Amino acid sequence: EIVLTQSPATLSLSPGERATLSCRASQSVNSYLAWYQQKPGQAPRLLIYDASNRATGIPARFSGSGSGTDFTLTISSLEPEDFAVYYCQQRSNWPPFTFGPGTKVDIK
Amino acid sequence: QVQLVESGGGVVQPGRSLRLSCAASGFTFSAYAMHWVRQAPGKGLEWVAVISYDGTNKYYADSVKGRFTISRDNSKNTVDLQMNSLRAEDAAVYYCARDKARTGTYFGYWGQGTLVTVSS
Repeated sequence: EIVLTQSPATLSLSPGERATLSCRASQSVNSYLAWYQQKPGQAPRLLIYDASNRATGIPARFSGSGSGTDFTLTISSLEPEDFAVYYCQQRSNWPPFTFGPGTKVDIK
Repeated sequence: QVQLVESGGGVVQPGRSLRLSCAASGFTFSAYAMHWVRQAPGKGLEWVAVISYDGTNKYYADSVKGRFTISRDNSKNTVDLQMNSLRAEDAAVYYCARDKARTGTYFGYWGQGTLVTVSS
């Protein structure tokens, strides 16, 4: 089973700042990695798939990069609605599909 | 627009059974794999099961294998999760999710979830 780790666990930033979130895989997942956003009381939402492709309707301030074992989600300038928990997920070697533990982006 | 509506959650005693259902609309249901993903209170996301677009292939997380069964009815646009021998650790919000493809890739759309509580 591929294990995903995310860092940091919590990121405290102000609106307008740049957010950089990391996801590391226990073995290569090629580019088969996605990022999701989850707000309190809501279902997750797909942001990025195949490491760098934005899902439908996702603003351009969200971007993904990386391949192999190291991946990054960047939010170029945080909007108030971006404060949430972010999860990475791999589909390289399944079952199981696995998620990282999440990074919480909160308001500083 | 894509809509996924889960139902069937509730309070159940350990060892008992529960059946969840997900009604899909707004897309060609028979063209996509479907998943169940769960989230225990205050915890992260855990994938539970997937069924291929035509129902021929099914896969499960080790934590539920042998106890849970995923099924679909492409004539009714529904996907179900039969949960038997429930344990305290199965308590979670269960989300139905549509894949981005016919087999397993990513979770492109999610329902709002249904809460399962396992308690005596």
